[in-house]
Amino acid sequence: AQSVTQLDSHVSVSEGTPVLLRCNYSSSYSPSLFWYVQHPNKGLQLLLKYTSAATLVKGINGFEAEFKKSETSFHLTKPSAHMSDAAEYFCVVSGGGGSYIPTFGRGTSLIVHP
Amino acid sequence: EPEVTQTPSHQVTQMGQEVILRCVPISNHLYFYWYRQILGQKVEFLVSFYNNEISEKSEIFDDQFSVERPDGSNFTLKIRSTKLEDSAMYFCASRRDFTYEQYFGPGTRLTVT
Repeated sequence: AQSVTQLDSHVSVSEGTPVLLRCNYSSSYSPSLFWYVQHPNKGLQLLLKYTSAATLVKGINGFEAEFKKSETSFHLTKPSAHMSDAAEYFCVVSGGGGSYIPTFGRGTSLIVHP
Repeated sequence: EPEVTQTPSHQVTQMGQEVILRCVPISNHLYFYWYRQILGQKVEFLVSFYNNEISEKSEIFDDQFSVERPDGSNFTLKIRSTKLEDSAMYFCASRRDFTYEQYFGPGTRLTVT
């Protein structure tokens, strides 16, 4: 079985300050982990993915995430928030339950203040 | 860059009516998926489709739902007799193979009145 928990439903930051979106997962197998972003009225766009290679994964738009097996975490970070980062972010786990069907977290809404 | 497209962007229908949601996956992809997201809730897997047949489906995907790839490009989700609780955003996704991530479409918002 697999599951994913996004610890914050909303995160609010000021433009230019760091972003941290938290994600914890559980799985019976070695999972693949993803972060997707959804801007209003848009589809889900892949930010980055972890598939058992390097534990620090760099994605698009300056985002990165670190896979920490000991903490079962895959937190998403960005050193400096931009107004255009305001969106819904989803942490997704796949393959952790023996299936490639992904399980989505509930999502974290990132609010960026000027 | 190739992308998954979905039509319509918003569909309003009356309870009991049939709806067909359409998707055009990326052309060289082999695996196709439907998900739904009820307002304020998680994105939930509905069904996966490969080699012209359903490969996996969730408990949500009951007899009221069906999927089809009627030609070489479209992938459709049909709901035979819509219920109020079918109101949701429906996402289509496609994947080239298991080593690649899924690409999602922009979604169709279905409103059942």
